[in-house]
Amino acid sequence: RKEVEQDPGPFNVPEGATVAFNCTYSNSASQSFFWYRQDCRKEPKLLMSVYSSGNEDGRFTAQLNRASQYISLLIRDSKLSDSATYLCVVNTAGNTGKLIFGQGTTLQVKP
Amino acid sequence: DGGITQSPKYLFRKEGQNVTLSCEQNLNHDAMYWYRQDPGQGLRLIYYSQIVNDFQKGDIAEGYSVSREKKESFPLTVTSAQKNPTAFYLCASSKSWIGELFFGEGSRLTVL
Repeated sequence: RKEVEQDPGPFNVPEGATVAFNCTYSNSASQSFFWYRQDCRKEPKLLMSVYSSGNEDGRFTAQLNRASQYISLLIRDSKLSDSATYLCVVNTAGNTGKLIFGQGTTLQVKP
Repeated sequence: DGGITQSPKYLFRKEGQNVTLSCEQNLNHDAMYWYRQDPGQGLRLIYYSQIVNDFQKGDIAEGYSVSREKKESFPLTVTSAQKNPTAFYLCASSKSWIGELFFGEGSRLTVL
C-alpha cells in the first residue's frame, strides 16, 4: 500500500459544481497534512493546511479524519481558474520530517 | 525578496555525465527537500535535510547525492548511476519538519 494515495481523476465538472477529493495515508503517526495546488509545468503552491478541527478558506474546506486515516478537500462553486492538479502532502514518519506527496488529482472545470 | 532559487531552469546532459542542480534559499529555513516529478505523476522524495550537515534518503535516493554544508544551500547531484534521470526536479524548504513547503521553480533535466 502506498504511503499516501489519491484518486488521480481526472474530475471533469461544470462551473458552479461542488467537487470533493480524498487522500488516504498509511501511517497513523502522521502529524501534519496539507493540500497543494499545481498548475501545468509549474511548482506546487500551498492551498491549505489541514487541522484536526477542519478548516475553511472561502470556497475551500479541508477536513481530517484520523480514525479512517484520510484527508479531504471540498471545493464549492467551482471556477474555471480552479482547473489544476491538487496534491495532498502528509508527514508520514512522525518527527523525521519526511513529507510525502500523493500522486495528485486533476480537476478540469468546464464552462 | 525571500525565496528559493533553483538553477539551471533547463539542463541537457549526455548519458554517463554527472550533473549538479543548485538550490539556494534565503528564508532562514532549517529543512530542505529534493523531489522528482515525472509527467502525470506526483512528487517523489529523493533526499531531505532537517539541519546543516545532516540529510536522509527519501524513497528514490539511488543514483543521487546531496550535501548540506550551509543552511542556505542544498545541491543535488544526479550521477551516471541514475538509470532514468530525465525529469522535473523540485527543491523545497520549510521552517520546520511540520511546516509549509516553499518550492523553487524547478529544474527540467533532459538526458540525450
